[in-house]
Amino acid sequence: GQQLNQSPQSMFIQEGEDVSMNCTSSSIFNTWLWYKQEPGEGPVLLIALYKAGELTSNGRLTAQFGITRKDSFLNISASIPSDVGIYFCAGQNYGGSQGNLIFGKGTKLSVKP
Amino acid sequence: DAGVTQSPTHLIKTRGQQVTLRCSPISGHKSVSWYQQVLGQGPQFIFQYYEKEERGRGNFPDRFSARQFPNYSSELNVNALLLGDSALYLCASSLSGGNPYGYTFGSGTRLTVV
Repeated sequence: GQQLNQSPQSMFIQEGEDVSMNCTSSSIFNTWLWYKQEPGEGPVLLIALYKAGELTSNGRLTAQFGITRKDSFLNISASIPSDVGIYFCAGQNYGGSQGNLIFGKGTKLSVKP
Repeated sequence: DAGVTQSPTHLIKTRGQQVTLRCSPISGHKSVSWYQQVLGQGPQFIFQYYEKEERGRGNFPDRFSARQFPNYSSELNVNALLLGDSALYLCASSLSGGNPYGYTFGSGTRLTVV
């Protein structure tokens, strides 16, 4: 099935460092979403973006909806150990009564205290 | 309020068997979607139901089927299980099928086919 191109696949960083990951698609979306998944749990929504060019923050997290509507990035500032997990981007074209998500393959983040 | 609840949490089945997975959405949510997440991959869309009708289907074989009940809970059925069906099956609920605010996921059912 279709999956978005997400990079990097994994990151090993020191506590306090900033993190950046991005996601690209061959097709456009009207919504970009970023999720975090921890072991044994389902994905949890971090940030949702609805407009091309939109820049949205949620605490130490900042995400942007690319102008072309085919890409998005997520930044995490001043990482802490609880940021560990797998981060997924997802694109969505909603309308009417449907709107399935297309996910990236994920970025696995490890934070060294 | 309870989140999205899925049962069972873990399941082991033999090749060729059939399995039924269950999902209860957040109270007030009328749409349920099913996703398959193979180890090391992102979730893949299987089905979406809204108001008890199928609103979307992903690229999965006919061995996969689902339904939504009047109370908006849902079941995912998989027949003639293959080893490749081993995965985490996630249920997600939303207020409406076309909801632009994303979905709330359950913790999933881990299916192992041996």
